[in-house]
Amino acid sequence: DTGVSQDPRHKITKRGQNVTFRCDPISEHNRLYWYRQTLGQGPEFLTYFQNEAQLEKSRLLSDRFSAERPKGSFSTLEIQRTEQGDSAMYLCASSLASGANTDTQYFGPGTRLTVL
Amino acid sequence: DQQVKQNSPSLSVQEGRISILNCDYTNSMFDYFLWYKKYPAEGPTFLISISSIKDKNEDGRFTVFLNKSAKHLSLHIVPSQPGDSAVYFCAASASTSGTYKYIFGTGTRLKVLA
Repeated sequence: DTGVSQDPRHKITKRGQNVTFRCDPISEHNRLYWYRQTLGQGPEFLTYFQNEAQLEKSRLLSDRFSAERPKGSFSTLEIQRTEQGDSAMYLCASSLASGANTDTQYFGPGTRLTVL
Repeated sequence: DQQVKQNSPSLSVQEGRISILNCDYTNSMFDYFLWYKKYPAEGPTFLISISSIKDKNEDGRFTVFLNKSAKHLSLHIVPSQPGDSAVYFCAASASTSGTYKYIFGTGTRLKVLA
């Protein structure tokens, strides 16, 4: 039973570069979420997909951020023209829509982004 | 506007005693609540959840209590073990409002002393 996996685990980049992160959810899960966590804070919601459809985006997701889930399985999160303020842990989670409105999200290990 | 608050940044408890972690929320539309544990450099690990139709849920050493009138939930860990030392986050969602995102508190660092 594999959990949520994320790649890479760490990424160091220079300001202005583009970065892309990948998330592979638990295989039968149809919902996939992206969160961002900075030091001393809880995770903050960025966006979520149900199958391949992106159904909700946070105001935190500026125009430089784009997320995709093309075949309803893995997802990518791209940040263009990175800024130092983008430095954070990017967390992916997945869940199985149960119809009871109480699906539980399971998190991956995260990708730690450092923008120099 | 912090909709989910964990007012205690840290808590120290002796091994074998009870740990009580608290969480307050402001949004009356929240209907599902969860507790996660997080170790450094790892993602949050799900511990226990409770729906708003209940006031208590128990799983082994972990019990979550929900007081809807006070908009307060708590996590009890009995007995506490050194391996429980981690940061604990409470989270809430308002799924009947058509959103499944979680709103997290800022976390409480629990240290269980041997």
